[in-house]
Amino acid sequence: ETGVTQTPRHLVMGMTNKKSLKCEQHLGHNAMYWYKQSAKKPLELMFVYNFKEQTENNSVPSRFSPECPNSSHLFLHLHTLQPEDSALYLCASSHDREGSPLHFGNGTRLTVT
Amino acid sequence: GQNIDQPTEMTATEGAIVQINCTYQTSGFNGLFWYQQHAGEAPTFLSYNVLDGLEEKGRFSSFLSRSKGYSYLLLKELQMKDSASYLCAVRDSNYQLIWGAGTKLIIKP
Repeated sequence: ETGVTQTPRHLVMGMTNKKSLKCEQHLGHNAMYWYKQSAKKPLELMFVYNFKEQTENNSVPSRFSPECPNSSHLFLHLHTLQPEDSALYLCASSHDREGSPLHFGNGTRLTVT
Repeated sequence: GQNIDQPTEMTATEGAIVQINCTYQTSGFNGLFWYQQHAGEAPTFLSYNVLDGLEEKGRFSSFLSRSKGYSYLLLKELQMKDSASYLCAVRDSNYQLIWGAGTKLIIKP
């Protein structure tokens, strides 16, 4: 039980599809994150929300669109993705942005065909 | 630029000790984290160092030298379940987390 739940665990989509990834945290944390994890590469920060407000967008293409309706839920909407977007997408939360460790979900393994 | 270096892969024997090194060059320093990630699972928090020295937590210890930009994770009495990737991450002066690519640790019987 990680306290951070992501769905779906696996997703295969074509380049013209629209899909959404969902993340929910049950830890009472104030900050939530989307990361991209590719094989043998460092984690890439995509988006950060602090108290439901987006505080960072690390030059992520517009085909990725985040949504944070409340401090417990985070979505990543996907549209017209490219094969190079295939990766593990990890959601994380933390109590604050300064020193607290991140708690991660198990991720969504995305394959774009 | 900011950079974290750690070995790509290491192999060790069950029951032995292994040390995974991490060196960093970042804009400022506000703490260093170690995470463990089993294949197909979430990274899980192992340790946090913000002051120089050794932090011990059971079979795992983490060391930090801020002047050298260096940390290591020491795993004792290795068990097969310790086979995983170990991620090093540093918080810079803007509280951004800079991540290493991870070290895949293989434990052999």
